[in-house]
Amino acid sequence: AQTVTQSQPEMSVQEAETVTLSCTYDTSENNYYLFWYKQPPSRQMILVIRQEAYKQQNATENRFSVNFQKAAKSFSLKISDSQLGDTAMYFCAFMKPGGAYKYIFGTGTRLKVLA
Amino acid sequence: EAGVAQSPRYKIIEKRQSVAFWCNPISGHATLYWYQQILGQGPKLLIQFQNNGVVDDSQLPKDRFSAERLKGVDSTLKIQPAKLEDSAVYLCASSLWGPKGSEQYFGPGTRLTVT
Repeated sequence: AQTVTQSQPEMSVQEAETVTLSCTYDTSENNYYLFWYKQPPSRQMILVIRQEAYKQQNATENRFSVNFQKAAKSFSLKISDSQLGDTAMYFCAFMKPGGAYKYIFGTGTRLKVLA
Repeated sequence: EAGVAQSPRYKIIEKRQSVAFWCNPISGHATLYWYQQILGQGPKLLIQFQNNGVVDDSQLPKDRFSAERLKGVDSTLKIQPAKLEDSAVYLCASSLWGPKGSEQYFGPGTRLTVT
């Protein structure tokens, strides 16, 4: 069974600085998707970034980028130029395509951006 | 495009009472998910529908939880009777089916408190 581990329950970063959130996962699959979702205090989760395992190039979305290390089963999220609006819970998720297409979520990292 | 709608947003009940949650997914999304998110944890999938059929309900406590999606659009999740440990946020999400459905869109959630 797949598992997703986020080892940093809480982190903080100064506004405009860079922060990296860690995620590791365990799977025997070769093809899968990885995601970072953001859940602000209002609780509506939104997708931050998505990575397809067969793509070697790391995904980037504006200030958000990932470091995907397939062999190490590591998928970290880097937030550059942190903003107060980045304060939220961040969840890493794994999805195996085919069948049910269901997510396995990590336990989350609470990120606080300090003014 | 309207997002995933959920109601109510908050509910407080006593143990052994029953409660129902409603979800209306994004138009055209065939897949609907119900998650339970206990404070400090990641979302846990309770049940997944493809149109009006159940794809996965392996983690649904079927002795007290039930869910339906009769016309393949909106869905209800019921708990009867509620226990203290059911206190959580119940999230509904929807997606397209298949590889295009790798992104899930979440509703705002219903926060349930069982006293």
